[in-house]
Amino acid sequence: QVQLVESGGGVVQPGGSLRLSCAASGFSFSTSGMHWVRQAPGKGLEWVTFTRYDDIQRWYADSVKGRFAISRDNSKNTLYLHINSLRLEDTGVYYCAGMSSGQSFDPWGQGTLVTVSS
Amino acid sequence: QTVVTQEPSFSVSPGGTVTLTCGLTSGSVSTSHYPSWYQQTPGQTPRTLIYNTKFRSSGVPDRFSGSILGNKAALTITGAQADDESDYYCVLYVTTGIWVFGGGTKVTVL
Repeated sequence: QVQLVESGGGVVQPGGSLRLSCAASGFSFSTSGMHWVRQAPGKGLEWVTFTRYDDIQRWYADSVKGRFAISRDNSKNTLYLHINSLRLEDTGVYYCAGMSSGQSFDPWGQGTLVTVSS
Repeated sequence: QTVVTQEPSFSVSPGGTVTLTCGLTSGSVSTSHYPSWYQQTPGQTPRTLIYNTKFRSSGVPDRFSGSILGNKAALTITGAQADDESDYYCVLYVTTGIWVFGGGTKVTVL
């Protein structure tokens, strides 16, 4: 059974940091590019970042460049998102997703909620 | 900055047909953008419907179809059912390593 399970979300003060994790199983993680996608409350999906299967190259949305860092450990089938200098507008559900056929997003995790609040 | 456009909302009658579009504020959408479409109901994880413009994901009913219409990508629901009432998002691969989601379309079936 293909599964992506995110963890690490929580309530953080502005300026704080978090590390999100995404554990993969039943899925060819080590040969798949991986994304983080987020969704603010009541808003749409926003692509955040992507890393190649070998983690040699990483790309970021302008809105998070310089504050967020994606990484992965293929020996642990785990994807990470390091988030620094958190802002109120970073509040939302963060999903990890695999890169699938035709540059699509599949599978998806169930998401982890990050709340930035003072 | 690349902006992907979608209609904010659409209403369709049960059994009816609706076409949602996915465009760019500057330029045309083509198959080179690898448009894909996702369905999301409130509180749920997105579900992949269409990838690479027109290919249905596993288990997706054939009433969902993808295409390029003019200068936009399109998702057509033919024979809409009550449980098609959802938010629909497109995403475009705009350049190497960069994807951009549209703002989503809320589809109401009534």
